Order: sequence, then C-alpha cells, then structure tokens
Amino acid sequence: DVKVTQSSRYLVKRTGEKVFLECVQDMDHENMFWYRQDPGLGLRLIYFSYDVKMKEKGDIPEGYSVSREKKERFSLILESASTNQTSMYLCATNTRGTETQYFGPGTRLLVL
Amino acid sequence: SQKIEQNSEALNIQEGKTATLTCNYTNYSPAYLQWYRQDPGRGPVFLLLIRENEKEKRKERLKVTFDTTLKQSLFHITASQPADSATYLCALRMNSGGYQKVTFGIGTKLQVIP
Repeated sequence: DVKVTQSSRYLVKRTGEKVFLECVQDMDHENMFWYRQDPGLGLRLIYFSYDVKMKEKGDIPEGYSVSREKKERFSLILESASTNQTSMYLCATNTRGTETQYFGPGTRLLVL
Repeated sequence: SQKIEQNSEALNIQEGKTATLTCNYTNYSPAYLQWYRQDPGRGPVFLLLIRENEKEKRKERLKVTFDTTLKQSLFHITASQPADSATYLCALRMNSGGYQKVTFGIGTKLQVIP
C-alpha cells in the first residue's frame, strides 16, 4: 500500500512566522503535489514536482515555495505566514503515467 | 477555464436506497474523470476512474457513468449504508500547457440515515 505521511496533523503559527510542511512517500513515486482545501473552494493546487529538484507552480503559488531535494520528500514553505493561509494542506503523489493520486492525511494549519 | 459543479453540497438518503451524485463540467471534455471519497479530517481516497470513451464503470456497489454530450458524470452507490457517509469529490484531468492538470470539485457531502 502507498503510504503518504505529513509531518503534522495540526499546527498553530503566528503571522509572519516561517512555516515548513513536510510530505514523505514510500512508493518511489515521481510526482508530488501540494494542495490546500477550503470550504466552498475545494482542492486547489499550490505547487507540484515531477522529479527531484524540479518544481512547477500550480494555480495559487503566491506566498508559498517548495523544495524537493530527495525523491521521497516534498516540502511546502510559507515564507511569512498570514491569516489567509489558514487552511487544510494536503500532499498527494502518483507515479508517472498513472492518473490516481494518493493523498496524505492532511495538515490543518491555523495562523493567528 | 474549466469549471466543475457537483450537484449539491449535501445529500441525505435513507439506508438501503441508491445515492446518486452529479458532477457537471463546462467547456471541453476531459480525458478522464475520477471520483474520490473524503472522510472528515482525512485526505481523499481514490474510488473509480472513467475515461472519455467509456460510458459506465462499476466496482462492487459503486457505478459511474460519463456522458460527454451532457458534460456530466453520475456516481451511484447502491444499497447505501451509514458507512458510506462521507464527502465525495469528482476530479477531471485536463491538458494544460506542458502538464496534465487535475481539477477537483468542491464535493458533495452524503449522509446515509439508518
């Protein structure tokens, strides 16, 4: 079974703090994705990566950056957290040529 | 740009009945459409995928149809059970520039009443 883990289930940060969200997968998948999910807006793609050290902007990259130094790990960075970044953050992975995405359990981030 | 609409934010149904959820999209037809289940506080879990050249797909009590003329997919759960209560998301894969983007609907929350 594919296992996708996220570093925290719940996180509380203050405005202006730098926040790191980590995602690790154990299935050697090439593709990794970061989404945020908000009521009434659904899942929105922030960034994705098709390979190590490779990153591409999704639909809402502003205020975020990512890092993929190793194949199994994809980090989402909030350089200076703001209250409008309070959300559920979901990491997903899949392997090249397949369609199904495997999601992690999510990190619920509250920015005060 | 592509838009996805799921029929209602919430759907209540009696146990044993068939639940039918709708996913409508605008503009051009996607290459495929997926359905995911999401439980509260958890990540979505893949259920079924149907391609543009397929009319229907089944998996146990689940059935998905895909009508490219109506630009609609229907997701059916037969003999529904309280354990089927969850939010169901549809997702479309479109071609967008150099990569294939997946767009998710906001979901329909299904409540199966015993």
